[in-house]
Amino acid sequence: GDSVTQMEGPVTLSEEAFLTINCTYTATGYPSLFWYVQYPGEGLQLLLKATKADDKGSNKGFEATYRKETTSFHLEKGSVQVSDSAVYFCALSEFTDTGGFKTIFGAGTRLFVKA
Amino acid sequence: DAGVTQSPTHLIKTRGQHVTLRCSPISGHKSVSWYQQVLGQGPQFIFQYYEKEERGRGNFPDRFSARQFPNYSSELNVNALLLGDSALYLCASSLSSSGNTIYFGEGSWLTVV
Repeated sequence: GDSVTQMEGPVTLSEEAFLTINCTYTATGYPSLFWYVQYPGEGLQLLLKATKADDKGSNKGFEATYRKETTSFHLEKGSVQVSDSAVYFCALSEFTDTGGFKTIFGAGTRLFVKA
Repeated sequence: DAGVTQSPTHLIKTRGQHVTLRCSPISGHKSVSWYQQVLGQGPQFIFQYYEKEERGRGNFPDRFSARQFPNYSSELNVNALLLGDSALYLCASSLSSSGNTIYFGEGSWLTVV
């Protein structure tokens, strides 16, 4: 089945540093790709998404480009803030055999940003 | 507008007991999915329901069951609880069975002792 692999954390950066969190996927079709974020004490929130190859998703200064040739969807931000400290999950959607869909998540990457 | 709401937020059960978790989707959303998130891991798909019909089932034992009601709310039931069922149970809603962006509630923390 489809799967998502993302870099292990934790990732520790100083404020204003550049962030990259790597994500690669395996899929038989052409799934939509997502980044979700989980802030301390809060639920999972959709951060950004891309639905086809070469699409770029962006939100709150974060961006990720759907790269079919490398099956990747790396998350980047030019200048991180302390408030970006959270767990980031890469995910893809896959259709089920019964007309629905499911979202498959990576294991998550914890980001700590120091002031 | 209210997001996805789940209840209860926290609960403690004993091995062998049964638990029911409840979820109300975002207004206008007709599909509800359930996920299990064990500490330190990503969410794992359990079920998807759309218009009261099961549209997907993950790799979970038959002790796990769910249903969706005419108002699109949903229940997740787990029988014969095991210690390993301790996790955050997340409900997510989406507009349709194929609209593949899901929006999560804050989850129900289940501890089995």
